[in-house]
Parts: sequence; C-alpha cells; structure tokens
Amino acid sequence: DIVMTQSPDSLPVSLGERATINCRSSQSVLFSSNNKNYLAWYQQKPGQPPKKLIYWALTRESGVPDRFSGSGSGTDFTLTISSLQAEDVAVYYCQQYYTTPFTFGQGTKLEIK
Amino acid sequence: QVQLQESGPGLVKPSETLSLTCTVSGNSVSSGSYYWSWIRQPPGKGLEWIGYIYYGGSTDYNPSFKSRVTMSVDTTRNQFSLQLNSVTAADTAVYYCGRSYGSLSEIDFWGQGSLVIVSS
Repeated sequence: DIVMTQSPDSLPVSLGERATINCRSSQSVLFSSNNKNYLAWYQQKPGQPPKKLIYWALTRESGVPDRFSGSGSGTDFTLTISSLQAEDVAVYYCQQYYTTPFTFGQGTKLEIK
Repeated sequence: QVQLQESGPGLVKPSETLSLTCTVSGNSVSSGSYYWSWIRQPPGKGLEWIGYIYYGGSTDYNPSFKSRVTMSVDTTRNQFSLQLNSVTAADTAVYYCGRSYGSLSEIDFWGQGSLVIVSS
C-alpha cells in the first residue's frame, strides 16, 4: 500500500495569514503516461463528510475559493491557503488514487491561533 | 444534483454482520462512468477506503478487509451495499459511501455518513 504522511498534525494559524499543509507519499503518484499526479485534497468540518478541494494535485474543484491551491509532484505535495478565513477551520486530508487500495493521510487539524 | 444517502442499523453485535445500503439520486449506478466506494472513519480518527464496486458487479476491496467484505449493486433500486462480517469493536466507525468518476479517481460526492457502533 502507498503510505500517505501529512505534516504537521496540527496547525495554528492567525486569521489572514498563510497556512501550508504538506503531504508525502511512500512512492510516486505521478503517472508518466499522462503526466498527472493522482493526488487529491479534502476538507472535513465536524459532523460533515469530506469535501473535495483539489484533484490532480493542483486543480481546484469548481466553487472552491481561490485562496486554496495545491502544488507538488511525485511524492511531495502541498496544500496552501493564502489567507486564512474563520470558515477554513477543519481537518484536511490528502489522498492518493494512483493505485488501489486508495489511501489517505492521517489528517491535519487547522485551527485559529 | 447528485446525492448519496447511507442507511442501515446503527448498532451491531460483535461477531455479527454489518450491512449498509447507499441510495443514489441524481445519478444512475448503472452509468458506466462511475465507481461506487465505501470509506470509513473511526471516531476521532482518519479515513480508510474499504473498496468499490462497478455497476457490472466487479469489485476491488482493500486487502485489509478482503476476507470479511462483500459489496453489491442493485441497479433496479439505484443502490449499492456493503456487508462486513465478523465485526469487532474496532469496526465502530462512521461509514461513508462515495462516487468516483473512473477507476482511478478522487471521490467527488460523499454521503453524509452512517455511524455504526459494534457493541453487545
């Protein structure tokens, strides 16, 4: 199985400041034939299901604010929130869909400092 | 708008079988474009993919569950189902159903989740 490791586990950030969450996969999730990284980011608020934010590592889902961005390739990825808003408090997960079994990172809890 | 809704018993006894159904609206489970997943989340913990099923009945299960899990699809009711045998307290979790576009794709729609507690 591909192991997904996120850092940090918890991230306190002041409102309006930048938040950066990292995700590392135990093997590359870059498919050479199409040059796509099979990596998604999700946001989960308490009592709700995860919500897809980013797919192909850097494509923002329709309706997701442009303060959210994804970057990285191969085994190292980053989710950046450029200016933290109160409604962004949540747990964020990365997921690889390069191969089954699909696997998720352990989650990063983003909170207000 | 696509909606998925899990249903089933909220309490299951140890060693028995957990059974859940996901009812899909706004999308046909018979569509050849989609794969239908089950994912679970123990209380306060992370997400674990259990497996998925395609409308024709083909499945791909997480090896962590392979000996205990069965998924099925009912195209007439536009539903798909999960059965997990020989449950223990470690199977207590919120169970989500989800949809992916393609066999190697992120989960774009999720159900609200169904909490299943394993306890005598």
